[in-house]
Amino acid sequence: AQSVTQPDARVTVSEGASLQLRCKYSYFGTPYLFWYVQYPRQGLQLLLKYYPGDPVVQGVNGFEAEFSKSNSSFHLRKASVHWSDWAVYFCAVRRYNQGKLIFGQGTKLSIKP
Amino acid sequence: EAAVTQSPRNKVAVTGGKVTLSCNQTNNHNNMYWYRQDTGHGLRLIHYSYGAGSTEKGDIPDGYKASRPSQENFSLILELATPSQTSVYFCASGEGGANTEVFFGKGTRLTVV
Repeated sequence: AQSVTQPDARVTVSEGASLQLRCKYSYFGTPYLFWYVQYPRQGLQLLLKYYPGDPVVQGVNGFEAEFSKSNSSFHLRKASVHWSDWAVYFCAVRRYNQGKLIFGQGTKLSIKP
Repeated sequence: EAAVTQSPRNKVAVTGGKVTLSCNQTNNHNNMYWYRQDTGHGLRLIHYSYGAGSTEKGDIPDGYKASRPSQENFSLILELATPSQTSVYFCASGEGGANTEVFFGKGTRLTVV
């Protein structure tokens, strides 16, 4: 069955440091992958999406993610985090012929000043 | 800008009572979804719909019903609320294509006492 695992429930980084949030997926076939961000007391907003093509995708606010079929991964990266990046990040997979998203457990990102 | 509006934003209900959560979208999207968010589980799909008059069971439908009377409105119904249904509920809408964006409401915080 398709699933998404985010192994890190919490990540803390210093402001200005680089960031990687991990995502592993289990899927038979061609996955469509997404990263969403949830700011406090808000709904989810799309950061970026991957569909078959260039394995590195660019998103909003300097985020990017890299798809790896061999590692079944879709890790999110940012070169320099800002305090405004303090949020919960969700990785999700979507089946080609269906609309529904399957989410990982989420990673809560905290920023040290 | 796509808009998904949920009401109420906060709700306290008594065990055994009936609860209806409402969702309205002005995007003319065919697909709508209800998720619940719990710590450690991410977002889990309860029910979804492909259009007016249709509802489909998601991954955790037990204890919930859904209703899609029109393109714009999608309700989640708890006929007999239980404390285990205390959670944050998100409604979302989107087109069916795998690489299209899904838009989320701001959530409803439900507490069943």
